[in-house]
Amino acid sequence: GAVVSQHPSRVICKSGTSVKIECRSLDFQATTMFWYRQFPKKSLMLMATSNEGSKATYEQGVEKDKFLINHASLTLSTLTVTSAHPEDSSFYICSARDGGLQGKLFFGSGTQLSVL
Amino acid sequence: DAKTTQPPSMDCAEGRAANLPCNHSTISGNEYVYWYRQIHSQGPQYIIHGLKNNETNEMASLIITEDRKSSTLILPHATLRDTAVYYCIVRVAGTGNQFYFGTGTSLTVIP
Repeated sequence: GAVVSQHPSRVICKSGTSVKIECRSLDFQATTMFWYRQFPKKSLMLMATSNEGSKATYEQGVEKDKFLINHASLTLSTLTVTSAHPEDSSFYICSARDGGLQGKLFFGSGTQLSVL
Repeated sequence: DAKTTQPPSMDCAEGRAANLPCNHSTISGNEYVYWYRQIHSQGPQYIIHGLKNNETNEMASLIITEDRKSSTLILPHATLRDTAVYYCIVRVAGTGNQFYFGTGTSLTVIP
């Protein structure tokens, strides 16, 4: 199956700083990538849909100025958590869809963000 | 996308078949059924998907009822490494169509 690489796997930062998470499709071109957030013992919550070359579409209740998404190439999308606060601590997961594989999504390994 | 209903948890003895049900009674004709699983602190892993017919791959089998209102994921010989949360998702296959995750079934394989 296709491979999606997410980096970093874990980050600890101070309150007020910004954190960038990268998501790369390694062996396919992904015109669409998705970003999810997951709290402990909870399901994945879709945050936004990222389309290459255009603005991301955010789910209701997700602050677009807080969670900046850039999808400048067919293999890279980034999520920047701006001015992070402790309540932003969570597990963030990206995914990418290969258009030739009947709509299957492939997921990165996730980033555990801890804001002190 | 259609809503899915899954039991919150299940146990299965190691070496036995694990049968995980999913109810999707409002599924529409062009929506596929996808199954993913998530092992603790990792990203979800694709297992299998289907539209109408039963499907089998190296990981599992997917049985879809004739009316398509429910399906069952079968892990034929469960191992301890199959302990995970299993998610059933229905959606239209297409470039921009989102995957919305429900609560899933937490499967524990018991030695």
